[in-house]
Amino acid sequence: EAQVTQNPRYLITVTGKKLTVTCSQNMNHEYMSWYRQDPGLGLRQIYYSMNVEVTDKGDVPEGYKVSRKEKRNFPLILESPSPNQTSLYFCASSFVGQASGANVLTFGAGSRLTVL
Amino acid sequence: AQSVTQPDIHITVSEGASLELRCNYSYGATPYLFWYVQSPGQGLQLLLKYFSGDTLVQGIKGFEAEFKRSQSSFNLRKPSVHWSDAAEYFCAVGPYNQGGKLIFGQGTELSVKP
Repeated sequence: EAQVTQNPRYLITVTGKKLTVTCSQNMNHEYMSWYRQDPGLGLRQIYYSMNVEVTDKGDVPEGYKVSRKEKRNFPLILESPSPNQTSLYFCASSFVGQASGANVLTFGAGSRLTVL
Repeated sequence: AQSVTQPDIHITVSEGASLELRCNYSYGATPYLFWYVQSPGQGLQLLLKYFSGDTLVQGIKGFEAEFKRSQSSFNLRKPSVHWSDAAEYFCAVGPYNQGGKLIFGQGTELSVKP
């Protein structure tokens, strides 16, 4: 089944304790992205990647890091989490260019993160 | 600035009634427009998309949307709402053929009364 898998789905952590949210897709998509969803603000893009070793900042990148060493994986790293990073996080992927379904994002189920 | 505005934060409709969710966008290039739906505890699912051609597009679950360039709008409609349509709906705009770098609206939460 074609899907985007995020882990963990739920996490409660404390300020300053480094954490990684993993994201993996099995559709051979070039494009991967992380969004955070907050009430009244919709989805805001954190980072995105157009392909392996190509990443760029989205609209709200502060406090986050990403890497794209393999096409299928795009982990989100919070080096020193703070309470304002408490949010619902979504990973998404898509084809790029002329491929069928280009630009159509497939989303993971979400990871709810609470930072105390 | 590029943006998407969904003026209605929350809408309540009766089951069987018609529905229209509003979406206005500001985008410098030719927009590629989307509607996604998020059911409680779930990720986002694509309802429909528009890039060119017929300005009335059909999607899944009986939804349709109409692109009006003069009004910079892409409103979502459904003739008869079902209780299972209760969810949050997001309008998004982005560039064509550049991956999923989409700008999302704030979302509209739909409640359905029996």
